[in-house]
Amino acid sequence: DTAVSQTPKYLVTQMGNDKSIKCEQNLGHDTMYWYKQDSKKFLKIMFSYNNKELIINETVPNRFSPKSPDKAHLNLHINSLELGDSAVYFCASSRRGTPGVWGYTFGSGTRLTVV
Amino acid sequence: AQSVTQLDSHVSVSEGTPVLLRCNYSSSYSPSLFWYVQHPNKGLQLLLKYTSAATLVKGINGFEAEFKKSETSFHLTKPSAHMSDAAEYFCVVSDGTRRNNNDMRFGAGTRLTVKP
Repeated sequence: DTAVSQTPKYLVTQMGNDKSIKCEQNLGHDTMYWYKQDSKKFLKIMFSYNNKELIINETVPNRFSPKSPDKAHLNLHINSLELGDSAVYFCASSRRGTPGVWGYTFGSGTRLTVV
Repeated sequence: AQSVTQLDSHVSVSEGTPVLLRCNYSSSYSPSLFWYVQHPNKGLQLLLKYTSAATLVKGINGFEAEFKKSETSFHLTKPSAHMSDAAEYFCVVSDGTRRNNNDMRFGAGTRLTVKP
């Protein structure tokens, strides 16, 4: 069974469109995250959610909005897509408050290409 | 705030020779340190972690890392490289404070190439 699953795996879309990436974890973790990996492989945290509460928002444009219907899901919605949004987006989860002890479990990533 | 520096963006070794991927960290508190591996077009997989227990940490696939507080280092090593080790490797630090315990800082990554 996949622990952290993201869909879709690949997403190609035109500038200006609105798109969503879904993430689900079946590990019983309390905290979920979204990371963006750019073309140089640099990973930057975008959001984390703990019990439906936003904990971190690292200067991400407000075109990006995380949506968490329950603690097993953290979806990423992006409005008005721009060329610079092209990247690989990773979802991750951890036990509540202790990623520094247990680390993250990552999804396999969603490669977003904006044309 | 914590930070991490991976000293080499690219390391190339021959199959069967030792691997050394270097990582230095900065942290105001007792850090937790991790190494993750990312194979081409794949997600990130945890290789090993240090969380204030034994300073020599053994991970999967024969990798290990040693936490050296005096040198603020957490270098990743493997005695003998295998072709399947070719991947991107990320060193990660968390300063472990209650306030920032969801704050994990990733290094820029080191691409490991293994030559036949």
